Amino acid sequence: DIEMTQSPSSLSASVGDRVTITCRASQVVKNYLAWFQQTPGKAPKSLIYAASTLQSGVPSRFSGTGSGTDFTLTISSLQPEDFATYYCQQYNTYPYTFGQGTKLEIK
Amino acid sequence: QVQLQESGPGLAKPSETLSLTCTVSGDSISSHYWTWIRQPPGKGLEWIGYISNRGTTNYNPSLKSRVTISVDTSKNQISLKLTSVTAADTAVYYCARESFSLDYWGQGTLVTVSS
Repeated sequence: DIEMTQSPSSLSASVGDRVTITCRASQVVKNYLAWFQQTPGKAPKSLIYAASTLQSGVPSRFSGTGSGTDFTLTISSLQPEDFATYYCQQYNTYPYTFGQGTKLEIK
Repeated sequence: QVQLQESGPGLAKPSETLSLTCTVSGDSISSHYWTWIRQPPGKGLEWIGYISNRGTTNYNPSLKSRVTISVDTSKNQISLKLTSVTAADTAVYYCARESFSLDYWGQGTLVTVSS
């Protein structure tokens, strides 16, 4: 299985901050990389697919980059509703696998 | 608007079979791939498998011998069966539509395995 490793595992930041989360795959996944946001008690929400394509309705402060094995999710200016847990997922190779998650907390 | 709703027993006994249904509205299940994912309490996400719009399936090898995903096109539903469950199968189970990404998710249903 392809192992997806996110860093950091947790992050404290303030409203208005710019934050970046990284995701590294143990093998090349091309650009078959998605990002999800999950708040407590809710289902994950799709933010980005194909490494950098914003899902419909997702604010433009979210952006994704990368290809191959290294990827980033950036939130340009944190809003209160952005404090959540973020997961990356590769869908290049079965079984699809997720990162362990990055919990973004309010400082 | 596409909506997915998981349903099924919230409790299963060890060694029994877990059976869940995902009812889709606002879309035809014949048009997309449909995926099951689970999340143990306080932990991360695990991909269980999918069924394609042609009925082909692909399962996580870690569960392959125990899992079956099927569809009922007449009811626009996707089903998940997981046999011989143990406490390790306690999780919130989600169904999701796969279109470029997992773009629509159900709200999830918690299944607890306990005697």
